[in-house]
Formats: sequence, C-alpha cells, structure tokens
Amino acid sequence: GIQVEQSPPDLILQEGANSTLRCNFSDSVNNLQWFHQNPWGQLINLFYIPSGTKQNGRLSATTVATERYSLLYISSSQTTDSGVYFCAVARAGTASKLTFGTGTRLQVTL
Amino acid sequence: GAVVSQHPSRVICKSGTSVKIECRSLDFQATTMFWYRQFPKQSLMLMATSNEGSKATYEQGVEKDKFLINHASLTLSTLTVTSAHPEDSSFYICSAPDRDYGYTFGSGTRLTVV
Repeated sequence: GIQVEQSPPDLILQEGANSTLRCNFSDSVNNLQWFHQNPWGQLINLFYIPSGTKQNGRLSATTVATERYSLLYISSSQTTDSGVYFCAVARAGTASKLTFGTGTRLQVTL
Repeated sequence: GAVVSQHPSRVICKSGTSVKIECRSLDFQATTMFWYRQFPKQSLMLMATSNEGSKATYEQGVEKDKFLINHASLTLSTLTVTSAHPEDSSFYICSAPDRDYGYTFGSGTRLTVV
C-alpha cells in the first residue's frame, strides 16, 4: 500500500510564528486532503488538494503530485491551531481507500 | 457542505457486551463508507470498507466476526463491536467519499470497555 510520511512529527511554535508541514507519499495519488484533528478528536477538513495550490485565510497548501509531496503552510499561528495535522491520500476513484500519514503534532504557545 | 453524523460520541460498556455505532450521511448518498480506528497518539488506521447492499471489505488483521458492519441504506452504515474487551477501547471514526469535498468524516466515537 501507499506509505505516507509527515514531518516534523512534533512542532512547538510561539504565537504569531509561521510554519511549514510536509507530507511525502510513495505512489501516485488522485486524492490528497489535509486535516486538523482537534483535542476532542474531530477531524476538520482543511483542504482537498490532489494538485496545485489553495489558500484559506492563514492556511495554504501546495501539492506537487509529480514529485509526490504536499506542503501545508500556517501563517501567524494562534493557540487554536494546536492539535494534530494529518495528510491523507487515495488512489484513483472517489471510493478508493484513504491512507493517513503519521501526523504532525503542533503546539502553539503564548 | 457534506455532513456525516456519527453516534454515539462517547460510550462506556462492560466487557463482553456489544456496542453499535451509527454513521449517517446527512445531505448526500454514500454507496461506500469507511471505518477507521485510532489509538492514543497514533494515526488513523482503516478497518473496513462498508458497501451498500453487499458485504463489507475488511483490512488485513481486522476480525470480521468482532467488528460487524452493516450498510443498510445509501445514508446509513453501522459498526457493531461484539463481545467487547478492554483492548477494543479506542476512537472509532467513519467517513464517506463526497464528490465535491473528497472524504468527509464523522465526529468519532470514543469507546471505553471496562
């Protein structure tokens, strides 16, 4: 199956700092999503981004499918950004299995 | 946007009993749903694929007789943990593929077996 590795595994930021999270995957994918898991376990869909670049407020993401990686940018971080960030990928077709990465645990301090 | 409703959000049960978790797609139809399990400080691992009108497909190492999956309609899938034991305590979460938003997830169920 597809291997999905994320880096860094842990990250501590001071409020207001910027950060870049990386997701590498081992095979071609037609589907990639970034999620934020809050302290209650809920997965918040941040981006559906199998290719290209998207922005939503302080967050943006870029996927370079041909080089098998995706980046999530967080600017001007806030304490509410704390949690675990997962990328997840799937092969062709909307009913393909979604494989999750190893996650990046982010803590934003005052 | 696409919404998946999952209930209950938290359940505590006695060892040896069964627990049913429901997953509903509220504003779209889902012929396929997925069930994941997450242990503390770990990633989500796919347990099984639920298919409307046919048998579920289980991932390697997942006991199909312990984790019963039923996909009764285009909007409802259920996971029943049978004869639960403390090692089954975990966070269970369902998802459904949506054409516009990729995959949408339920809010999860935290199961504690005592």
